[in-house]
Amino acid sequence: SQTIHQWPATLVQPVGSPLSLECTVEGTSNPNLYWYRQAAGRGLQLLFYSVGIGQISSEVPQNLSASRPQDRQFILSSKKLLLSDSGFYLCAWSEVGVREKLFFGSGTQLSVL
Amino acid sequence: TQLLEQSPQFLSIQEGENLTVYCNSSSVFSSLQWYRQEPGEGPVLLVTVVTGGEVKKLKRLTFQFGDARKDSSLHITAAQPGDTGLYLCAGEWTSGTYKYIFGTGTRLKVLA
Repeated sequence: SQTIHQWPATLVQPVGSPLSLECTVEGTSNPNLYWYRQAAGRGLQLLFYSVGIGQISSEVPQNLSASRPQDRQFILSSKKLLLSDSGFYLCAWSEVGVREKLFFGSGTQLSVL
Repeated sequence: TQLLEQSPQFLSIQEGENLTVYCNSSSVFSSLQWYRQEPGEGPVLLVTVVTGGEVKKLKRLTFQFGDARKDSSLHITAAQPGDTGLYLCAGEWTSGTYKYIFGTGTRLKVLA
């Protein structure tokens, strides 16, 4: 069966520090991968999605970046965090050719102080 | 620009009451999905509606896709405290892109 791992669960970082959040998927090949950010109690904002290695689509101009160094690994990064980067970050995957189903990781609560 | 608007934003009801949550857009979607999210966790898929006018039932939850495929509703009958959570609709922005966008969310609290 397929599983998605996202870490860390919580992170407290000072303004100006770098960021690296990692997400890996097991049990499937060539998944579509996603990074979303969620403000408290609100909807999800799509940040990046990838339909293959090295293929990254950016949806929101910001100081964040994403990379997909391996088929089932998706990394969210920043060189210098801003206060406004605080939020709940969610990684998700979907199976190629099987639309309408997203499977989410357990999320990372990022607090930038 | 929020492409999927949900209403109401918040809803607090007593156990046993019925409720309806709406998801509206000015754009046509090939399908819409409904998710439920618990605090501190990722959303979990409840259902996908694909055909205009389609109605799907999941126990006490009834989901409907609008005829024009621009809106959807979620109706809960005899709500229970276990229904408490954040309800999110989502859709593929342009068919074939795998780009999924989410609605603004409806936070439901069912009081015992």
